[in-house]
Amino acid sequence: TQLLEQSPQFLSIQEGENLTVYCNSSSVFSSLQWYRQEPGEGPVLLVTVVTGGEVKKLKRLTFQFGDARKDSSLHITAAQTGDTGLYLCAARNSGYALNFGKGTSLLVTP
Amino acid sequence: DAEITQSPRHKITETGRQVTLACHQTWNHNNMFWYRQDLGHGLRLIHYSYGVQDTNKGEVSDGYSVSRSNTEDLPLTLESAASSQTSVYFCASSEGTSLVTDTQYFGPGTRLTVL
Repeated sequence: TQLLEQSPQFLSIQEGENLTVYCNSSSVFSSLQWYRQEPGEGPVLLVTVVTGGEVKKLKRLTFQFGDARKDSSLHITAAQTGDTGLYLCAARNSGYALNFGKGTSLLVTP
Repeated sequence: DAEITQSPRHKITETGRQVTLACHQTWNHNNMFWYRQDLGHGLRLIHYSYGVQDTNKGEVSDGYSVSRSNTEDLPLTLESAASSQTSVYFCASSEGTSLVTDTQYFGPGTRLTVL
């Protein structure tokens, strides 16, 4: 089972600030996914990155896949209170089941 | 609209009792998964199924069982509940057509407390 390490574990910032969260592993992935989970709900897919060096943007969220396909980052520009949640990275060992990182819990305050 | 539902949303039971958590999806997806989520551990895979009559063990399968008699449902059974099984349980489903881009759709979760 490949280990996905996420950092930081917790992040508390004010509205308007920028932030970056990281997902690292010693394994090479064919793809990596980022999910967001809000309190009391299940995770929801934000993005899938496939190609080494790939950058994907989703409004104020920018996702990057490392050149060696071992790591990924999520950058949020001008955070809003609606960005509050748990951000999870996930990848596959074999088959369709996902292996998740422990997540970064983000709190954005007004 | 297609959806994935879980029931009950909250359950309190006693040690040693058998408990079944339901998961129902209307996506007509081949794949279904059960995860548990605990503080400090994140989401961990319990069991999964790639189709009717197919079931497979995940990372933390001890004390749990599943059966897949139709496409829509994958109930999770705790044979003899233990306090260590107090957790939030999530069911997910996916189409299963691409190992690279497959998307899992999660239910709202069941919070189980074992006293």
